[in-house]
Amino acid sequence: AQSVTQPDIHITVSEGASLELRCNYSYGATPYLFWYVQSPGQGLQLLLKYFSGDTLVQGIKGFEAEFKRSQSSFNLRKPSVHWSDAAEYFCAVGAGFQKLVFGTGTRLLVSP
Amino acid sequence: DTAVSQTPKYLVTQMGNDKSIKCEQNLGHDTMYWYKQDSKKFLKIMFSYNNKELIINETVPNRFSPKSPDKAHLNLHINSLELGDSAVYFCASSLSESGNTIYFGEGSWLTVV
Repeated sequence: AQSVTQPDIHITVSEGASLELRCNYSYGATPYLFWYVQSPGQGLQLLLKYFSGDTLVQGIKGFEAEFKRSQSSFNLRKPSVHWSDAAEYFCAVGAGFQKLVFGTGTRLLVSP
Repeated sequence: DTAVSQTPKYLVTQMGNDKSIKCEQNLGHDTMYWYKQDSKKFLKIMFSYNNKELIINETVPNRFSPKSPDKAHLNLHINSLELGDSAVYFCASSLSESGNTIYFGEGSWLTVV
């Protein structure tokens, strides 16, 4: 069965510091991978997605993610975090006919 | 001009009541979904519809009945509400081909008291 693991429940990063959020997936075929962000009291916004091709994917708000098939990972990165990036981040894998299987999320806290 | 809109955004109701959440998308998509986010923020698909036909039903209690009058609408009706139904319900839509981006609404916060 498809699954997504986000091993960090929450992470605290200083404003201006770099960020990496981890995501590992389990899926038998070539995965479609997504990162979504959820701000408090808000819906889910797509940050970026990987379908095929270049394994380094650029997204909105300065985020990027790298697909590593050998490690079954799709980690999200940002070189310099802003206070407005504080939110919940969800990694997801497309598991057939547009069914998304989500990880449990990582809560990002940004300290001054 | 919200792409995926759902109403109401907040709903507080008593156990045993019946309630509905409505969803509409103006993106021209042919597939719509309902996802549930529980108190631990875990997101899980409940249903998906493609061209008004039920495609995915993830062992959701039959108290939950989705209805799709047309491709742009997918409503969720819940009978005999229970405390455990308290959650955030997200509507979403996409084109049907695998890998297309799924766009989410802003969620409906349901509290059963």
